[in-house]
Amino acid sequence: DIQMTQSPSTLSASVGDRVTITCRASQTISTWLAWYQQKPGKAPKLLIYKASRLENGVPFRFSGSGSGTEFTLTISSLQPDDFATYYCQEYNSDFFTFGPGTTVDLK
Amino acid sequence: QVQLVQSGAEVKRPGSSVKVSCKSSGGSFRSYGLNWVRQAPGQGLEWIGGIIPLFTTTKYAQKLQYRVTINADDSTNTAYMELRSLRSEDTAVYYCARAGVRGELTVFFDHWGQGTPVTVSS
Repeated sequence: DIQMTQSPSTLSASVGDRVTITCRASQTISTWLAWYQQKPGKAPKLLIYKASRLENGVPFRFSGSGSGTEFTLTISSLQPDDFATYYCQEYNSDFFTFGPGTTVDLK
Repeated sequence: QVQLVQSGAEVKRPGSSVKVSCKSSGGSFRSYGLNWVRQAPGQGLEWIGGIIPLFTTTKYAQKLQYRVTINADDSTNTAYMELRSLRSEDTAVYYCARAGVRGELTVFFDHWGQGTPVTVSS
């Protein structure tokens, strides 16, 4: 099975900060990676798929990059609505694996 | 606009079964994979399995494959997830989520249901 890790597990930031979250896969997954945002009590929301493709309606301050085993999600200028938990998900294998999540909170 | 609406919260005894429904509207139900994902309290996301109604293709997580059944009713655009022999560790919010590519199951999820809390307690 593919294992996914994320760093950091928690990130404290201020509005306007540039924020970067890293996701690593235990084996190469090409660009078969998605990023989701989840707020407390809500379902996850798709942000990025195929490592760098922005889902319709997602603000342009979100971007994704990477291939193989290392990926990043960047928020160029953190907004109040962006405080949430972010998960990466690989879909290279027949069985999905999510990362453990990164919580972005207010510094 | 695609909407996934799930059935309501459940409280179950250990050893019993639970069946959660997910009704789809606004899109092509049969052509898109419908997956189930759960989230234990304070924990991350765990894929359970999924189905493509058009092909009746199903796939399950190895950890749960002997206790879970996923099926779909084309006539009502509804998918179901049944989990048997419930344990306290199955306490979680259960989500249905649509695959983002027509005809595919194991891809990203572009639409999610609102979640169904399932509590397993004696």
